[in-house]
Amino acid sequence: AQKVTQAQTEISVVEKEDVTLDCVYETRDTTYYLFWYKQPPSGELVFLIRRNSFDEQNEISGRYSWNFQKSTSSFNFTITASQVVDSAVYFCALGVYSGGYQKVTFGIGTKLQVIP
Amino acid sequence: GAGVSQTPSNKVTEKGKYVELRCDPISGHTALYWYRQSLGQGPEFLIYFQGTGAADDSGLPNDRFFAVRPEGSVSTLKIQRTERGDSAVYLCASSSTGGETQYFGPGTRLLVL
Repeated sequence: AQKVTQAQTEISVVEKEDVTLDCVYETRDTTYYLFWYKQPPSGELVFLIRRNSFDEQNEISGRYSWNFQKSTSSFNFTITASQVVDSAVYFCALGVYSGGYQKVTFGIGTKLQVIP
Repeated sequence: GAGVSQTPSNKVTEKGKYVELRCDPISGHTALYWYRQSLGQGPEFLIYFQGTGAADDSGLPNDRFFAVRPEGSVSTLKIQRTERGDSAVYLCASSSTGGETQYFGPGTRLLVL
């Protein structure tokens, strides 16, 4: 069975601070994908990043960066110089292929509030 | 291009009524997924379609829930004899065949009174 744990349910930071959202996953599959999605107050899940299990290279996209470490089964997400528009719920997710399609398991989400 | 669309955006119904929720996937996406998101939780898988067929409906909570995708594009999630516990946001996602990323619609907020 797959499991995604986001231990931080809510985080508050002051604008311009850096913040890291933690994600720990469990799977017995050797091939899998990890995702981060953003859910602003409007409710739509917005895809941010996908990483496959064979690519541990960290990635940076503007103010966003992701740190994937298979040794600790973690896929953490850092926002640098946070902005009020970053306020949202962020979901980490794990996808494994089963029966020809990718079944995705989501974490409970971390609610980030950026205070001006 | 257009993303995944879902209608209605909000639905209020009374306990015991029947509801239909519609999802229009991204054009050309053959895979379609339904999820349910309860308050304070992450989305939970309900059903997956590849083309017209439901390839995996293991997430449907009981036989009051049913979904169809007759022409391999638009899908309808149907809930019979609604219960207050069915209140949630129902999300639809689509991906290309073998696609590694699911793209989500805005969801339908269902409230059963």
